Amino acid sequence: NAGVTQTPKFQVLKTGQSMTLQCAQDMNHNSMYWYRQDPGMGLRLIYYSASEGTTDKGEVPNGYNVSRLNKREFSLRLESAAPSQTSVYFCASSEGTGGTGELFFGEGSRLTVL
Amino acid sequence: GEDVEQSLFLSVREGDSSVINCTYTDSSSTYLYWYKQEPGAGLQLLTYIFSNMDMKQDQRLTVLLNKKDKHLSLRIADTQTGDSAIYFCAESSPSNTGKLIFGQGTTLQVKP
Repeated sequence: NAGVTQTPKFQVLKTGQSMTLQCAQDMNHNSMYWYRQDPGMGLRLIYYSASEGTTDKGEVPNGYNVSRLNKREFSLRLESAAPSQTSVYFCASSEGTGGTGELFFGEGSRLTVL
Repeated sequence: GEDVEQSLFLSVREGDSSVINCTYTDSSSTYLYWYKQEPGAGLQLLTYIFSNMDMKQDQRLTVLLNKKDKHLSLRIADTQTGDSAIYFCAESSPSNTGKLIFGQGTTLQVKP
């Protein structure tokens, strides 16, 4: 009963370092999403993948890249981390178009950039 | 553009009713949602309402939708300390890609 699994849960980076956040879902969902959560700003969409093989920019894509590796996995890469990318990152999945639109979230990845 | 607004904080006494309010801008949203986030955890769906409904009740939760004013509310009856969390309002994106637009979240504090 895993649902959406994110790794790592915590990470500290220095400015300029790179890293990849991994996400996998076992619900056979078509769509996957990466959000960031900052105090007082709610959740903002970074990138999403409406279906396997497609990715699109969300509200705040600058400084990030994504890969939809297969139907299960959707990774988020920070090529050169900046302090402004200190945040909590959430991966989510949904059935996609035609469903109720419910998103299923992972537990979050807490990233600090020094 | 798409925008969802919520007040940031609400404090109530245990046993009282809580009402969390939300305004949204896109009248073409098919569904509107309430999510709950407990400390250190991801978001979980509490309830949702289809845009052609005015009200939905689910045990202690009542959702009211005023389409004319683009206003959504969540009422929690008999609020318990376990209801302390952040509550997010969200609307479905009109581009029908499945993505949701979230509000800032309302922190509900329940005092014993």
